[in-house]
Amino acid sequence: KQEVTQIPAALSVPEGENLVLNCSFTDSAIYNLQWFRQDPGKGLTSLLLIQSSQREQTSGRLNASLDKSSGRSTLYIAASQPGDSATYLCAAFARYSGAGSYQLTFGKGTKLSVIP
Amino acid sequence: NAGVMQNPRHLVRRRGQEARLRCSPMKGHSHVYWYRQLPEEGLKFMVYLQKENIIDESGMPKERFSAEFPKEGPSILRIQQVVRGDSAAYFCASSPNGGRTSSYEQYFGPGTRLTVT
Repeated sequence: KQEVTQIPAALSVPEGENLVLNCSFTDSAIYNLQWFRQDPGKGLTSLLLIQSSQREQTSGRLNASLDKSSGRSTLYIAASQPGDSATYLCAAFARYSGAGSYQLTFGKGTKLSVIP
Repeated sequence: NAGVMQNPRHLVRRRGQEARLRCSPMKGHSHVYWYRQLPEEGLKFMVYLQKENIIDESGMPKERFSAEFPKEGPSILRIQQVVRGDSAAYFCASSPNGGRTSSYEQYFGPGTRLTVT
Protein backbone atom coordinates (compact mmCIF):
# COMPACT_ATOMS: atom_id res chain seq x y z
CA LYS A 1 0.00 0.00 0.00
CA GLN A 2 1.36 3.37 -1.04
CA GLU A 3 2.24 5.78 1.76
CA VAL A 4 3.23 9.39 1.19
CA THR A 5 5.09 11.38 3.82
CA GLN A 6 5.82 15.10 3.81
CA ILE A 7 8.50 16.76 5.88
CA PRO A 8 8.43 19.16 7.57
CA ALA A 9 4.82 19.39 8.72
CA ALA A 10 5.19 23.15 9.11
CA LEU A 11 7.74 25.68 8.00
CA SER A 12 8.14 29.38 8.68
CA VAL A 13 10.56 31.48 6.64
CA PRO A 14 11.25 35.20 6.13
CA GLU A 15 10.19 36.73 2.86
CA GLY A 16 12.70 36.37 0.06
CA GLU A 17 14.18 33.09 1.21
CA ASN A 18 14.46 30.06 -1.05
CA LEU A 19 12.98 26.91 0.44
CA VAL A 20 12.54 23.19 -0.19
CA LEU A 21 9.60 21.01 0.71
CA ASN A 22 10.09 17.26 0.82
CA CYS A 23 7.85 14.38 -0.15
CA SER A 24 8.63 10.66 0.04
CA PHE A 25 6.61 7.68 -1.17
CA THR A 26 7.00 4.00 -0.42
CA ASP A 27 6.02 2.41 -3.74
CA SER A 28 8.22 3.62 -6.59
CA ALA A 29 5.90 2.19 -9.28
CA ILE A 30 4.13 5.50 -9.74
CA TYR A 31 2.77 6.98 -12.94
CA ASN A 32 3.24 10.55 -11.80
CA LEU A 33 3.59 12.79 -8.80
CA GLN A 34 1.66 16.00 -8.33
CA TRP A 35 2.10 19.01 -6.09
CA PHE A 36 -0.93 20.99 -4.94
CA ARG A 37 -1.49 24.15 -2.97
CA GLN A 38 -4.34 24.43 -0.50
CA ASP A 39 -5.34 27.72 1.11
CA PRO A 40 -7.26 27.64 4.42
CA GLY A 41 -10.85 26.56 3.88
CA LYS A 42 -10.32 26.32 0.14
CA GLY A 43 -9.92 23.66 -2.50
CA LEU A 44 -6.80 22.33 -4.20
CA THR A 45 -4.83 24.19 -6.83
CA SER A 46 -2.61 22.02 -8.97
CA LEU A 47 0.93 23.42 -9.15
CA LEU A 48 3.07 20.89 -10.97
CA LEU A 49 2.72 17.36 -12.31
CA ILE A 50 5.86 15.30 -12.91
CA GLN A 51 5.46 12.25 -15.08
CA SER A 52 7.30 9.07 -14.13
CA SER A 53 9.76 9.49 -17.00
CA GLN A 54 10.59 13.07 -16.05
CA ARG A 55 13.09 14.32 -13.50
CA GLU A 56 11.69 17.78 -12.93
CA GLN A 57 9.09 20.37 -13.87
CA THR A 58 9.23 24.13 -13.56
CA SER A 59 6.59 26.82 -13.35
CA GLY A 60 7.65 30.35 -12.54
CA ARG A 61 9.36 30.36 -9.14
CA LEU A 62 8.45 26.71 -8.54
CA ASN A 63 10.57 23.72 -9.43
CA ALA A 64 9.64 20.16 -8.59
CA SER A 65 11.98 17.20 -8.90
CA LEU A 66 11.29 13.48 -8.89
CA ASP A 67 13.61 10.60 -8.03
CA LYS A 68 11.57 7.44 -8.43
CA SER A 69 14.35 5.07 -7.41
CA SER A 70 14.71 6.68 -4.01
CA GLY A 71 11.00 7.45 -3.65
CA ARG A 72 11.46 11.18 -3.24
CA SER A 73 10.21 14.43 -4.64
CA THR A 74 11.06 17.98 -3.70
CA LEU A 75 9.30 21.27 -4.34
CA TYR A 76 11.65 24.22 -4.53
CA ILE A 77 10.21 27.71 -4.09
CA ALA A 78 12.50 30.58 -5.03
CA ALA A 79 12.34 34.05 -3.52
CA SER A 80 9.37 33.25 -1.29
CA GLN A 81 6.58 35.80 -0.86
CA PRO A 82 3.86 36.19 1.79
CA GLY A 83 1.35 35.13 -0.84
CA ASP A 84 3.02 31.73 -0.95
CA SER A 85 1.72 31.01 2.55
CA ALA A 86 -0.48 27.93 2.26
CA THR A 87 -0.41 24.19 2.78
CA TYR A 88 1.42 22.26 0.08
CA LEU A 89 0.34 18.71 -0.66
CA CYS A 90 2.04 16.09 -2.75
CA ALA A 91 0.18 13.14 -4.23
CA ALA A 92 1.47 10.00 -5.92
CA PHE A 93 -0.59 8.35 -8.65
CA ALA A 94 -0.19 4.59 -8.84
CA ARG A 95 -2.07 1.38 -9.14
CA TYR A 96 -3.72 0.43 -5.90
CA SER A 97 -3.41 -3.30 -5.53
CA GLY A 98 -6.40 -3.55 -3.24
CA ALA A 99 -9.02 -3.12 -5.93
CA GLY A 100 -6.97 -2.95 -9.10
CA SER A 101 -7.80 0.67 -9.74
CA TYR A 102 -5.46 3.61 -10.00
CA GLN A 103 -5.44 6.05 -7.12
CA LEU A 104 -3.96 9.28 -5.91
CA THR A 105 -2.38 8.94 -2.49
CA PHE A 106 -1.82 12.20 -0.63
CA GLY A 107 0.64 13.27 2.02
CA LYS A 108 -0.58 15.27 5.01
CA GLY A 109 1.01 18.42 3.68
CA THR A 110 3.53 21.06 4.72
CA LYS A 111 2.05 24.26 6.13
CA LEU A 112 4.19 27.13 4.90
CA SER A 113 4.22 30.60 6.45
CA VAL A 114 6.23 33.33 4.75
CA ILE A 115 6.83 36.21 7.12
CA PRO A 116 6.94 39.73 5.59
CA ASN B 1 -15.31 25.34 -19.62
CA ALA B 2 -16.43 25.43 -16.01
CA GLY B 3 -14.37 23.47 -13.54
CA VAL B 4 -15.59 20.81 -11.16
CA MET B 5 -18.51 22.13 -9.17
CA GLN B 6 -19.56 21.04 -5.74
CA ASN B 7 -22.55 22.05 -3.68
CA PRO B 8 -23.27 22.99 -1.12
CA ARG B 9 -19.97 24.55 -0.14
CA HIS B 10 -20.89 24.38 3.52
CA LEU B 11 -23.35 22.01 5.14
CA VAL B 12 -24.39 21.79 8.77
CA ARG B 13 -26.25 18.73 9.99
CA ARG B 14 -27.34 17.53 13.41
CA ARG B 15 -26.33 14.08 14.54
CA GLY B 16 -28.61 11.47 13.00
CA GLN B 17 -29.57 13.52 9.95
CA GLU B 18 -28.64 12.74 6.37
CA ALA B 19 -26.09 14.66 4.34
CA ARG B 20 -26.12 14.80 0.54
CA LEU B 21 -23.12 16.21 -1.27
CA ARG B 22 -23.21 16.91 -4.98
CA CYS B 23 -20.48 17.00 -7.56
CA SER B 24 -20.74 18.06 -11.20
CA PRO B 25 -17.63 17.00 -13.12
CA MET B 26 -15.97 19.08 -15.79
CA LYS B 27 -17.65 18.94 -19.17
CA GLY B 28 -16.63 15.82 -21.02
CA HIS B 29 -15.41 14.03 -17.89
CA SER B 30 -17.09 10.73 -17.08
CA HIS B 31 -14.90 9.65 -14.15
CA VAL B 32 -15.52 10.99 -10.65
CA TYR B 33 -13.58 10.50 -7.42
CA TRP B 34 -14.51 11.43 -3.87
CA TYR B 35 -11.98 12.23 -1.14
CA ARG B 36 -12.35 13.10 2.51
CA GLN B 37 -10.05 15.42 4.43
CA LEU B 38 -10.29 15.20 8.19
CA PRO B 39 -8.90 18.09 10.25
CA GLU B 40 -5.09 18.19 10.10
CA GLU B 41 -5.05 15.19 7.77
CA GLY B 42 -4.31 14.66 4.11
CA LEU B 43 -6.96 13.74 1.57
CA LYS B 44 -8.06 10.13 1.69
CA PHE B 45 -9.58 8.35 -1.29
CA MET B 46 -13.14 7.19 -0.75
CA VAL B 47 -14.71 6.05 -4.01
CA TYR B 48 -14.24 6.08 -7.78
CA LEU B 49 -17.25 6.09 -10.10
CA GLN B 50 -18.00 6.15 -13.77
CA LYS B 51 -21.44 6.88 -15.15
CA GLU B 52 -23.85 4.42 -13.50
CA ASN B 53 -21.02 2.30 -12.11
CA ILE B 54 -19.00 2.13 -8.91
CA ILE B 55 -15.50 1.13 -9.94
CA ASP B 56 -13.69 1.19 -6.60
CA GLU B 57 -15.20 1.87 -3.20
CA SER B 58 -12.31 0.50 -1.18
CA GLY B 59 -11.93 3.75 0.77
CA MET B 60 -15.57 4.13 1.69
CA PRO B 61 -16.75 3.29 5.22
CA LYS B 62 -18.85 0.15 5.07
CA GLU B 63 -21.87 1.64 6.78
CA ARG B 64 -23.87 4.84 6.32
CA PHE B 65 -21.93 6.02 3.25
CA SER B 66 -23.00 5.54 -0.35
CA ALA B 67 -22.21 7.15 -3.68
CA GLU B 68 -23.77 7.24 -7.09
CA PHE B 69 -23.13 8.79 -10.47
CA PRO B 70 -26.30 8.51 -12.53
CA LYS B 71 -26.52 8.70 -16.29
CA GLU B 72 -27.90 12.22 -15.97
CA GLY B 73 -27.06 14.70 -13.25
CA PRO B 74 -24.34 15.10 -10.69
CA SER B 75 -22.58 12.52 -8.60
CA ILE B 76 -24.00 12.26 -5.09
CA LEU B 77 -22.18 11.27 -1.91
CA ARG B 78 -24.74 10.37 0.72
CA ILE B 79 -24.06 10.00 4.43
CA GLN B 80 -26.87 8.63 6.52
CA GLN B 81 -27.26 9.19 10.26
CA VAL B 82 -24.28 11.50 10.47
CA VAL B 83 -22.04 11.50 13.54
CA ARG B 84 -19.57 14.13 14.74
CA GLY B 85 -16.68 12.13 13.32
CA ASP B 86 -18.09 12.72 9.81
CA SER B 87 -17.22 16.43 10.10
CA ALA B 88 -14.67 17.00 7.38
CA ALA B 89 -14.08 18.53 3.98
CA TYR B 90 -15.25 16.34 1.13
CA PHE B 91 -13.61 16.88 -2.23
CA CYS B 92 -14.68 15.65 -5.60
CA ALA B 93 -12.37 15.29 -8.58
CA SER B 94 -13.02 14.35 -12.18
CA SER B 95 -11.04 13.11 -15.15
CA PRO B 96 -11.83 12.38 -18.80
CA ASN B 97 -10.62 8.80 -18.49
CA GLY B 98 -9.54 6.19 -15.99
CA GLY B 99 -5.92 7.14 -16.38
CA ARG B 100 -3.25 4.60 -17.00
CA THR B 101 -0.78 7.04 -18.41
CA SER B 102 1.80 9.21 -16.75
CA SER B 103 0.08 12.37 -17.92
CA TYR B 104 -3.12 11.41 -16.14
CA GLU B 105 -4.52 14.16 -13.96
CA GLN B 106 -7.54 14.67 -11.76
CA TYR B 107 -9.22 18.04 -11.49
CA PHE B 108 -10.53 18.99 -8.09
CA GLY B 109 -13.61 20.87 -6.99
CA PRO B 110 -13.68 23.45 -4.15
CA GLY B 111 -15.01 20.95 -1.63
CA THR B 112 -17.98 20.73 0.70
CA ARG B 113 -17.31 21.37 4.36
CA LEU B 114 -19.60 19.26 6.48
CA THR B 115 -20.10 20.15 10.12
CA VAL B 116 -22.06 17.80 12.34
CA THR B 117 -23.39 19.37 15.53
